[in-house]
Amino acid sequence: AQSVTQLGSHVSVSEGALVLLRCNYSSSVPPYLFWYVQYPNQGLQLLLKYTSAATLVKGINGFEAEFKKSETSFHLTKPSAHMSDAAEYFCAVSPNNAGNMLTFGGGTRLMVKP
Amino acid sequence: NAGVTQTPKFRVLKTGQSMTLLCAQDMNHEYMYWYRQDPGMGLRLIHYSVGEGTTAKGEVPDGYNVSRLKKQNFLLGLESAAPSQTSVYFCASSIRWDQGTVSYEQYFGPGTRLTVT
Repeated sequence: AQSVTQLGSHVSVSEGALVLLRCNYSSSVPPYLFWYVQYPNQGLQLLLKYTSAATLVKGINGFEAEFKKSETSFHLTKPSAHMSDAAEYFCAVSPNNAGNMLTFGGGTRLMVKP
Repeated sequence: NAGVTQTPKFRVLKTGQSMTLLCAQDMNHEYMYWYRQDPGMGLRLIHYSVGEGTTAKGEVPDGYNVSRLKKQNFLLGLESAAPSQTSVYFCASSIRWDQGTVSYEQYFGPGTRLTVT
């Protein structure tokens, strides 16, 4: 079984500041990990994914995430926030040997102040 | 390609009424999923399908039924709607899992906002 915890349901940053969204997972087998973004009134869009290759994963819109097995974490970062980054972000985990099922975290809403 | 589409976008039901949500994908994906999204709870899997004619229960299946008569369509039915089913419903699709290949991702539709009064 696997689970995902996203620390902080709401995160507020100033435009140009560092974005850090936290994700911790538990999984009984090596996981695949995903970050999705949801803009208002839209579906989810894949930002990036970890599939047991490089531990530092780069995604779209300048986001990246680092898989840290010892900390069971997959935190999402962006060096400089932009107003257009305001959205809800979801971390998800999938076991790498058992098919397509995703388990999602509760989501973090990112607010960007001018 | 339209990707994943959902019909309708909005719906208001009275308690006890029934309805069907339609999901269609044009990517020739084997797998399709129905989720519900509630504040603070992320997305929870209701039912899924690994191919035409097959369906399986997810995390929160009670009160819902599904059918996959055609590969490109996945229907979600509510036989007797309850206020607890007020939610945003998302459909998704993905390629078939094939162990040893790189991972897949799920492609999501725009959602259906359902209110049950």
